[in-house]
Amino acid sequence: DGGITQSPKYLFRKEGQNVTLSCEQNLNHDAMYWYRQDPGQGLRLIYYSQIVNDFQKGDIAEGYSVSREKKESFPLTVTSAQKNPTAFYLCASSDRTSGTTNEQFFGPGTRLTVL
Amino acid sequence: SQQGEEDPQALSIQEGENATMNCSYKTSINNLQWYRQNSGRGLVHLILIRSNEREKHSGRLRVTLDTSKKSSSLLITASRAADTASYFCASLGSGTYKYIFGTGTRLKVLA
Repeated sequence: DGGITQSPKYLFRKEGQNVTLSCEQNLNHDAMYWYRQDPGQGLRLIYYSQIVNDFQKGDIAEGYSVSREKKESFPLTVTSAQKNPTAFYLCASSDRTSGTTNEQFFGPGTRLTVL
Repeated sequence: SQQGEEDPQALSIQEGENATMNCSYKTSINNLQWYRQNSGRGLVHLILIRSNEREKHSGRLRVTLDTSKKSSSLLITASRAADTASYFCASLGSGTYKYIFGTGTRLKVLA
C-alpha cells in the first residue's frame, strides 16, 4: 500500500524531555511537511522540506527541529524548548509533477501529551 | 496571522440539505484545495481548484473560486450523516510550496 505512516499514534512526554516523531512515505514525493493542530483549530506549519537535505522553517518552528536525510523520511523532534508541545501533529507529503504542486497526502497523526 | 479564515466555524444541518462553507485567503495563489478531517484523524483531500479556474465539481461537491475577492466556497449537496466532519481549505501561494490552512468549518449532519 502506498501512503504516509506516522508513529507512534500516541506519545507521552515528561517536561524537559526531547521526543522524536516519525514520518515515512513511499509515494516518491519530493515535498514533506509537518503541521501542528490544537483543539478546534486549523493546521499551522512547523517545517517543510522541498527536497532531500533541505528544509525551511514554517510559521511556528521555535522549539522544533527536523532532518531530511532520505526522501522517504522526515522526522520531527520536539525539544524541551517548546513551551506548550501538547498537540496533534500531522505529517504530509506532496508531488511536484511538472513544476506544479498538487494535493497533500496526510498521515494519521501523532497525539503528543506532556505530563 | 497567516491563517486563512473559514466561515461558518460550525454548521448543523439535516440530512438531505445542502451545506455551504466559505474560505478567504490573503495572498495570490497557485491553487486552493479543500480537505476533510474526521475527528482525531489525518486530513483527506477532496478537491483542488487552480487559480485560472472558477468552478469545479466532484460528485456531490462543488467548489468555486473568486480570485478578485480572494475567496472560495465548498458546497456539499444532499448531505449525509457520514459527511459529518471538519472541512479545511488550504491555499498554495504563487511560487511557493507552502500551504496556508483555514481555521476550518465543523459540519454536523443530523440523521
